[in-house]
Amino acid sequence: KAGVTQTPRYLIKTRGQQVTLSCSPISGHRSVSWYQQTPGQGLQFLFEYFSETQRNKGNFPGRFSGRQFSNSRSEMNVSTLELGDSALYLCASSLDSYAYEQYFGPGTRLTVT
Amino acid sequence: AQTVTQSQPEMSVQEAETVTLSCTYDTSESDYYLFWYKQPPSRQMILVIRQEAYKQQNATENRFSVNFQKAAKSFSLKISDSQLGDAAMYFCAYRSAVTGANNLFFGTGTRLTVIP
Repeated sequence: KAGVTQTPRYLIKTRGQQVTLSCSPISGHRSVSWYQQTPGQGLQFLFEYFSETQRNKGNFPGRFSGRQFSNSRSEMNVSTLELGDSALYLCASSLDSYAYEQYFGPGTRLTVT
Repeated sequence: AQTVTQSQPEMSVQEAETVTLSCTYDTSESDYYLFWYKQPPSRQMILVIRQEAYKQQNATENRFSVNFQKAAKSFSLKISDSQLGDAAMYFCAYRSAVTGANNLFFGTGTRLTVIP
């Protein structure tokens, strides 16, 4: 069974631009969570999607948004990029919203210049 | 809010020796899950071991075992017979079993170096 895939793996954007990251969960998994990893703040939860609905949201500004499609694939969008948005963005999938095991993708490294 | 603390930013161990990584957490919840994740230089997070708070027996996965002390809110990871491939960042994580929220709270990580 294929693991969690994330595209693109690396991305360079300019301040003020917007960006969309994609995550395809493990086949059969319906819950997708997103995390931001930075040297200063560590790993922080962004949001979780299950059955195309956002179930939980972390403490991030409204510039960070996401969605989930009927095939469970998820995208996250960051508008009006700031230098501080430079991070590794990790996606994790689980069987459903109550399954406690999450499987992570390789991440997307976003650099904002 | 739940907090997870890893007080050892860096640890090193000789190959084939045993090392213990520490983790403490703070929560008012009675039911939760605890995890250790490994993040090698490839950056992909890999689940090493999990522990359900309601289980008194410590979890074990091959060379990895935990010492779960619920009253002390302590959750340490022991790696036996350390191998070069064990070198990585190790993160302790907490997940509530009460709220139904499927988000993990992570510690700041411990960088493990394995010395040949």
